[in-house]
Amino acid sequence: DVKVTQSSRYLVKRTGEKVFLECVQDMDHENMFWYRQDPGLGLRLIYFSYDVKMKEKGDIPEGYSVSREKKERFSLILESASTNQTSMYLCASRPPGLTSTDTQYFGPGTRLTVL
Amino acid sequence: DQQVKQNSPSLSVQEGRISILNCDYTNSMFDYFLWYKKYPAEGPTFLISISSIKDKNEDGRFTVFLNKSAKHLSLHIVPSQPGDSAVYFCAAREAGNMLTFGGGTRLMVKP
Repeated sequence: DVKVTQSSRYLVKRTGEKVFLECVQDMDHENMFWYRQDPGLGLRLIYFSYDVKMKEKGDIPEGYSVSREKKERFSLILESASTNQTSMYLCASRPPGLTSTDTQYFGPGTRLTVL
Repeated sequence: DQQVKQNSPSLSVQEGRISILNCDYTNSMFDYFLWYKKYPAEGPTFLISISSIKDKNEDGRFTVFLNKSAKHLSLHIVPSQPGDSAVYFCAAREAGNMLTFGGGTRLMVKP
């Protein structure tokens, strides 16, 4: 079974703090993703990575950065947290290549609250 | 502008009856569609998918229908069970690109 873990289930931070969200997958997947989930808006892609040290912006990258130093680990960084970044953050991974299934495996999510 | 829309934020169904969740899309280049299910405090899990060359895919109690001319897909759950209560997301893929998700529909199946 694919396992995607996220470092924290709940996190409370103050405005202006630097926030690190960590994600680890154990299936040697090349592709990893960070989404945020907000009511009525579904899942929106922040950043993704298709290999170590590679990253691509998603639909809403502003205010975020990412780091992929090892294949199994993909970190999301909020340089200076703001209240509008209060959200559920979901990490996902996917096997390599363009397959017809495109199934992504998600972690349990981190509920971040910025005060 | 949302390319994938789930216009019903919630749906309540009696146990044993059919649940129908709907999804509309605007991008005619989408070639693959997926449904994910999400329980509270868990990540979404893949449920069922359909290629744009098909109009129906069935897996046990779950069937997905695709109407390309209407740019509409639906997920049917028959019979519905209380354990099906969750948020359901439809997602669409344009070849070579990432998934685009809808806003989700919360399904409540009453015993």
